[in-house]
Amino acid sequence: GQQLNQSPQSMFIQEGEDVSMNCTSSSIFNTWLWYKQDPGEGPVLLIALYKAGELTSNGRLTAQFGITRKDSFLNISASIPSDVGIYFCAGTLHYGGATNKLIFGTGTLLAVQP
Amino acid sequence: EAQVTQNPRYLITVTGKKLTVTCSQNMNHEYMSWYRQDPGLGLRQIYYSMNVEVTDKGDVPEGYKVSRKEKRNFPLILESPSPNQTSLYFCASSLSSVPNEQFFGPGTRLTVL
Repeated sequence: GQQLNQSPQSMFIQEGEDVSMNCTSSSIFNTWLWYKQDPGEGPVLLIALYKAGELTSNGRLTAQFGITRKDSFLNISASIPSDVGIYFCAGTLHYGGATNKLIFGTGTLLAVQP
Repeated sequence: EAQVTQNPRYLITVTGKKLTVTCSQNMNHEYMSWYRQDPGLGLRQIYYSMNVEVTDKGDVPEGYKVSRKEKRNFPLILESPSPNQTSLYFCASSLSSVPNEQFFGPGTRLTVL
């Protein structure tokens, strides 16, 4: 099936550092979404992007929908300990007719050292 | 409070014993979906439903069944569970039939012995 290549797989950083992660694919996506999953919880939507080139912020988080519609990145500025978790990218593909599919990346595990 | 609920949250069972994991949403969402999460594989879609009585296979449907008799409920059925179905399962829903901004339930951790 379709795949999203998410990198890096994991990051271990110091509190206060900036973080960047990205997702790429060979397919063209209609939307890009970024989710965060805390331990023992379900993923929670952080940012949704609907147009190529769109740059959207949510507090210290900033995400962009790539111009080619095949990639997206998420930046976290001035990381804090509660940023710890697994971050997933996801993209929506149109399969024809009324069929759309949401594909998830494999996740980036973020650990923040206080 | 707007939410997706799943029950049970934890389940240990034996091979072959039929089980059902319930999922319910109170947001009048049209789209509902089941995912399984396994280490290194991310979230993989099992089944989805774009509306009542409309269901379709995701990427990994083998060994699972679903039904959508009411808009709010989307149970996941394992007729004859096997150990390779040990996983963390998430139900999700979104407002429109396009699976964009999905809200996830808290997860069900299933162990099949």
